[in-house]
Amino acid sequence: DTAVSQTPKYLVTQMGNDKSIKCEQNLGHDTMYWYKQDSKKFLKIMFSYNNKELIINETVPNRFSPKSPDKAHLNLHINSLELGDSAVYFCASSPDRRSWSGETQYFGPGTRLLVL
Amino acid sequence: AQSVTQLDSQVPVFEEAPVELRCNYSSSVSVYLFWYVQYPNQGLQLLLKYLSGSTLVKGINGFEAEFNKSQTSFHLRKPSVHISDTAEYFCAVTLRGSSASKIIFGSGTRLSIRP
Repeated sequence: DTAVSQTPKYLVTQMGNDKSIKCEQNLGHDTMYWYKQDSKKFLKIMFSYNNKELIINETVPNRFSPKSPDKAHLNLHINSLELGDSAVYFCASSPDRRSWSGETQYFGPGTRLLVL
Repeated sequence: AQSVTQLDSQVPVFEEAPVELRCNYSSSVSVYLFWYVQYPNQGLQLLLKYLSGSTLVKGINGFEAEFNKSQTSFHLRKPSVHISDTAEYFCAVTLRGSSASKIIFGSGTRLSIRP
């Protein structure tokens, strides 16, 4: 009964390739997020969607494109992968209360991306 | 803009000893404060959060944190740690009245428990 799931768990690929990471939540939440965690464990938000609408885009290169086919899914497509894209990518979700910042976020297990 | 500082990148502690993980924040407006835990090779999960009311907040796994407005701190404590508490701990802050998306995480503190 995984609340927030991500696939794949590990992704090893060559520079220049295009790859996608998928995220699904079964919590009935309206808001979903993508985070990037670098090798020093620093965690930074990349995107946020509320009910399929993009609400946060934090100065992420255009090579990263999120897509939300419905409110339970948020995928991340990365074009022309670079060495610096190597990181752990986390998906998260929270209930729909965009005006209230006290929400708890529920995280997926992460996708470990290694670009060679 | 708000910021979060976790001064200790690593905290080694013996099993059954008490521990305190420090967190200080900076903000010109009122905030909500969170502690999240990340066990090895897993995602983050909420330990506890301060929204309002009592400044002493109790969370899961025996952890608690105290909000100190004058010192702009939200330190995490546990009176007796176990091997299973080995993890990375993140302090985080959001501004009251803003979106939950605008959460800022600290750089994390690695808690390592020695038998």
